[in-house]
Amino acid sequence: DQQVKQNSPSLSVQEGRISILNCDYTNSMFDYFLWYKKYPAEGPTFLISISSIKDKNEDGRFTVFLNKSAKHLSLHIVPSQPGDSAVYFCAASRSESTSYGKLTFGQGTILTVHP
Amino acid sequence: KAGVTQTPRYLIKTRGQQVTLSCSPISGHRSVSWYQQTPGQGLQFLFEYFSETQRNKGNFPGRFSGRQFSNSRSEMNVSTLELGDSALYLCASSGFAEGMNTEAFFGQGTRLTVV
Repeated sequence: DQQVKQNSPSLSVQEGRISILNCDYTNSMFDYFLWYKKYPAEGPTFLISISSIKDKNEDGRFTVFLNKSAKHLSLHIVPSQPGDSAVYFCAASRSESTSYGKLTFGQGTILTVHP
Repeated sequence: KAGVTQTPRYLIKTRGQQVTLSCSPISGHRSVSWYQQTPGQGLQFLFEYFSETQRNKGNFPGRFSGRQFSNSRSEMNVSTLELGDSALYLCASSGFAEGMNTEAFFGQGTRLTVV
């Protein structure tokens, strides 16, 4: 039961352009969402998060949008840089005792930014 | 501020053996979660500890266990290793606040290979 889905296995973007990574979820009880960047054989690096009470959060070149009615979130990277090339994971969690500390991850999207 | 530290980084074990992995969270963080990453299953939640108590557990067999010490350092143990246990094991720490979700920060991971 894949509760968090990233339907695009890969994305290729030109340097300087916008990268848009998408994520869908099925569990309406999720109320906190995160994006991570990951290189092979390393741990995920936290990028940005958003609570379900918001629909947008920005941090520098990264913006996350949340559409609760569609159960969809997206990560925008503007402008994209070659150093952004990595695997991007979205994750979701619930503010409920049986779910504390548990993140449910999507399968990841490989982003390649070409110079 | 030091990040999450996992030791060892790499480990090779034989089927049937047991292994113990260690995780030191960010100073002040009391929540430590463990994840397994494999190519086929992605990032899967193993369990979470808070103040020396396991609060949540994922869908893994009883061969996977863990504990947390009073200084918040955590260990996970896998007994009777199987080939399928070969994976990247990741530890994440967060500054959990009651009733609220916060971002989780990951260590570099321990790459376990079972032969």
